[in-house]
This record gives sequence, C-alpha cells and structure tokens, in this order.
Amino acid sequence: GENVEQHPSTLSVQEGDSAVIKCTYSDSASNYFPWYKQELGKGPQLIIDIRSNVGEKKDQRIAVTLNKTAKHFSLHITETQPEDSAVYFCAASLGKLIFGTGTRLQVFP
Amino acid sequence: GAVVSQHPSWVICKSGTSVKIECRSLDFQATTMFWYRQFPKQSLMLMATSNEGSKATYEQGVEKDKFLINHASLTLSTLTVTSAHPEDSSFYICSGQPLAGGVDTQYFGPGTRLTVL
Repeated sequence: GENVEQHPSTLSVQEGDSAVIKCTYSDSASNYFPWYKQELGKGPQLIIDIRSNVGEKKDQRIAVTLNKTAKHFSLHITETQPEDSAVYFCAASLGKLIFGTGTRLQVFP
Repeated sequence: GAVVSQHPSWVICKSGTSVKIECRSLDFQATTMFWYRQFPKQSLMLMATSNEGSKATYEQGVEKDKFLINHASLTLSTLTVTSAHPEDSSFYICSGQPLAGGVDTQYFGPGTRLTVL
C-alpha cells in the first residue's frame, strides 16, 4: 500500500522567513496530494492541494510543488507569520488519504 | 463553504459504556465520509470509510463490532464506540467528500476528544 514520509518533524523559523516541508510517497498511482494545517485541539484544515497532472500550485504565501518522477512533493510558505505556527500534514491519495507523520512549525516573532 | 461539524466536541465516559459521535456536512452533500483516529502527537489513522446507505468499509485492525458506523444521509454519519475502554481514548475526526468538485477532496470536522475512565 501507499506510504508517505514527511520531513522535518519539527521546524523553527523567524517571522518573515520561508519554511519548506517535504514529503515522499511510494505508490506512483497516487494522484492527489493535499496539505493540511492542524492547530492544537482542532481538526485538520485543507490549505492547498495539487493533482498529479500539475507540477506547481500557488495560493498567496503558500505553494506546493510536485515531482512525479521522484515521487515527492513539497509545501512552501513564504513570509511566515506567528499564526502559521501549527502542525502540517501532507497526504497522498488513491481514493483514500494516507497521511505523513506531520511537521510541527514554530514561527518566532 | 465546505464545513463539517462534529458533536460532541469532547466526551468523558466510564469504561464499558457506549458513546455516539455525530458528523455533519453543513453546506454540502457528502457521498463518502471517513472516520479517523489520532493519538497525541501522532498522525491521522483512517478507521473506516462510509458511503450513504451502505455498510462501512473498515481498515485492517479496526474492529467493526466495536466501532459502529452509520451513514444515514448525505449529510450525517455517526460513529458509536461500544463498550469503551481506556485504550479507546483518542481524538476522533470525521471528514466529508463532496459530491461536486475534486473526487478526492476531503473536508474535516473539528474532532471529538473521547476520554474513557
């Protein structure tokens, strides 16, 4: 079955810097890759997603890139703000979502 | 748009009792709803997939007689934890997959924290 690895597990950045989180997946048939932000005690919130027919997608300060050949995709957050602090999960989908292990992002003012 | 609610947000129960958690899609119809469990500082683990009007499909290792799922309508799914034990204490999260839009897109509820004493 599908397996998703996510790195790093923790990431600390200064406000205004960029943050990058990387994921790799094992099943080349996976065709949908969402990213979720989860704040403490809350459910995951979809922040951006990309499908396998697209290499890059951007939404304001957030962007996702997908390399199907290498089977990895990345989340890029620019101009980070303290409110970006949360746990971020990547996922790969073949009909059902398989989640990565999560990255705890801390943005220091 | 794409809002999912869960009720209750938290529940404490005694060992051996049953607990029901409701999941509702408020502004869309969900062909499929999913139930996940999340232990502290861990990722989400899929428990089961439910389609409206049919039996749920459970992931390997999830006891279907313990975690009863009912998907009565396109906007409501329920998870009942039967004969709960302390090891069932966890954060339970549901998600809904809209009829329209991307096939795989899931929108998550706020979660229900279950504590079994």
